[in-house]
Amino acid sequence: EAAVTQSPRSKVAVTGGKVTLSCHQTNNHDYMYWYRQDTGHGLRLIHYSYVADSTEKGDIPDGYKASRPSQENFSLILELASLSQTAVYFCASRDWGGESQNTLYFGAGTRLSVL
Amino acid sequence: SQWGEENLQALSIQEGEDVTMNCSYKTYTTVVHWYRQDSGRGPALIILIRSNEREKRSGRLRATLDTSSQSSSLSITAAQCEDTAVYFCATSSSFSKLVFGQGTSLSVVP
Repeated sequence: EAAVTQSPRSKVAVTGGKVTLSCHQTNNHDYMYWYRQDTGHGLRLIHYSYVADSTEKGDIPDGYKASRPSQENFSLILELASLSQTAVYFCASRDWGGESQNTLYFGAGTRLSVL
Repeated sequence: SQWGEENLQALSIQEGEDVTMNCSYKTYTTVVHWYRQDSGRGPALIILIRSNEREKRSGRLRATLDTSSQSSSLSITAAQCEDTAVYFCATSSSFSKLVFGQGTSLSVVP
């Protein structure tokens, strides 16, 4: 089974500060994703990547940057954290094609509170 | 039914009852995923159904897909307390991206 590890599991940040969320996967998946989940809502795609050193914008990229230094690691960066970015952030990797048909494997999430 | 950024829908049923959750999607897709999210954890795939399948079963789960109406459903037979979770449908808006519906929060009470 795919293993996706996120760190930290929770974080409190100050408005205007820089926040980095990290994600590590051990299953040799090419695709990695960052989603945001607000309380009582579904998941929205922020950024994704299909190869090291390259990232793509998702549906809600404003206020976020992403970095993919290696196949295993994918980071989400908030350069100037804002109150509206308080949410739970999920990283996922994707098993492409075959019987699994693009299944996403999620980490446990990072709960971010911006004060 | 669920889609996009709307609020989570909530369902509460008694243990032993059957329940069906619906999902409508907006773009062409070749497969519909259904994910389950337990409290405090990330979503996990529980069943997927391809565009050439009308129905798919896995244990007490049954998924249906109607490509003409762009809708899918997930049914749970004889729900148990451990089925309490949030359930999401997801479709591929493009080759690279999976888009999630807003989810259904299911509570199964004894």
